[in-house]
Parts: sequence; C-alpha cells; structure tokens
Amino acid sequence: EAGVAQSPRYKIIEKRQSVAFWCNPISGHATLYWYQQILGQGPKLLIQFQNNGVVDDSQLPKDRFSAERLKGVDSTLKIQPAKLEDSAVYLCASSLVGPTLSYEQYFGPGTRLTVT
Amino acid sequence: KNQVEQSPQSLIILEGKNCTLQCNYTVSPFSNLRWYKQDTGRGPVSLTIMTFSENTKSNGRYTATLDADTKQSSLHITASQLSDSASYICVVSEGRNTDKLIFGTGTRLQVFP
Repeated sequence: EAGVAQSPRYKIIEKRQSVAFWCNPISGHATLYWYQQILGQGPKLLIQFQNNGVVDDSQLPKDRFSAERLKGVDSTLKIQPAKLEDSAVYLCASSLVGPTLSYEQYFGPGTRLTVT
Repeated sequence: KNQVEQSPQSLIILEGKNCTLQCNYTVSPFSNLRWYKQDTGRGPVSLTIMTFSENTKSNGRYTATLDADTKQSSLHITASQLSDSASYICVVSEGRNTDKLIFGTGTRLQVFP
C-alpha cells in the first residue's frame, strides 16, 4: 500500500514570497490533515478535511494560509505571503473514517520550509 | 488547557540497554493515547494506540502503559537498537467522538554502539 505522498520535500523562499505544498493521501482515506511542526516541537494541526469539506481550521492563520481539497483526494496548502516564523516542516496525514474512535493517522514525509 | 508533557526531553543510552519514556497529560475528555516514532526527516509513525480501558499494549520491543486515573503513560523500549534513535511523541486524542490530536513535544532518544 502506497503511503502519503508530499512534494516538494524542501523549499527555501524569501519572506513575503508565496509557496504551495501538495499532498496525496492514501487511496480511500476520507480524512486529510495538514500539520505544522516547528523545530523541537510536536505537530500542530492547521486544518482537517473530511472528503472535500473542512472539519476544523481553527488554528489556520487564515490571513496568510489557505488550503483546498478539490474532489476529496489531493490537497494543497498555500502560504501567501510567508513570514520568517513560518519556517517549519509541514506534514500531511490521512486516515480512514471508520466505525471506531481509534483510527490510525498515517503521515507523509513532510515538506521542510525555510523562510529567509 | 489541554496539554501533553513528556520527559525527559532527550536521552542517550547504549545499544542493548532498556529505557522508559514518560508522558503526562491533562486532556479532557480523553479518547485514546498514542505513541509515535519520528525518525529525522520523516513523518511520525504510530507505535501503539490505547483507549482509556487499556493498561498496556506491546509492539515488538515497544511496550506502552496507560494509567487513566493518574493521566500518565510510559513507553518502554527493550534491548535498544541503533535504529531506535528517533523522537518519540506522545499524542492524546481529545474528545469522545473525534480524532483531534494533542501532541507532546517529544523525547529525543539517541542509541550509541
């Protein structure tokens, strides 16, 4: 079974520039998550989709961050304009929506963003 | 405030030795607790998931324990290997019908030969 795919793996941009990340979840997984992981910290949820609808975006800085999941499969996360404090690893994860509460989240390798 | 705290922040052990990582949480209501392993440059990989009714769960050389009364969990690694060098993150699921995860900051484990 293929895992969660993300691209690019690394990105370096200057502040005030724009950047976009792409995620392809595991086939059949209805739920998709974007996390931000700052160095030395645990991941922080930015946005959660179920199919193509947003379930939780309470911690997404909506003035500069946006995300979409067209057709309920792939997703893109965009930052415009980027700030120095956006330097982090952006992780995408996906999970099945199953009958139990303890469904597994599978993470991609992440995109490491450096804003200079 | 829902929080997950882990200790120690970092740990160095010799290959073949055992170690135990600690996790305390204040998340309520509580659904389940997970331990993830995160290798450098990779996404987290799940080791165990426990609901409030489970006290222990093993995955090979990894054994997790949970005391829902004291809101503490531990991850015990037996006969450590060089490949165990990674960050270990304790994650608590908040709520009764949700998979909203509260992540700890992790314990950085280094295993030396």
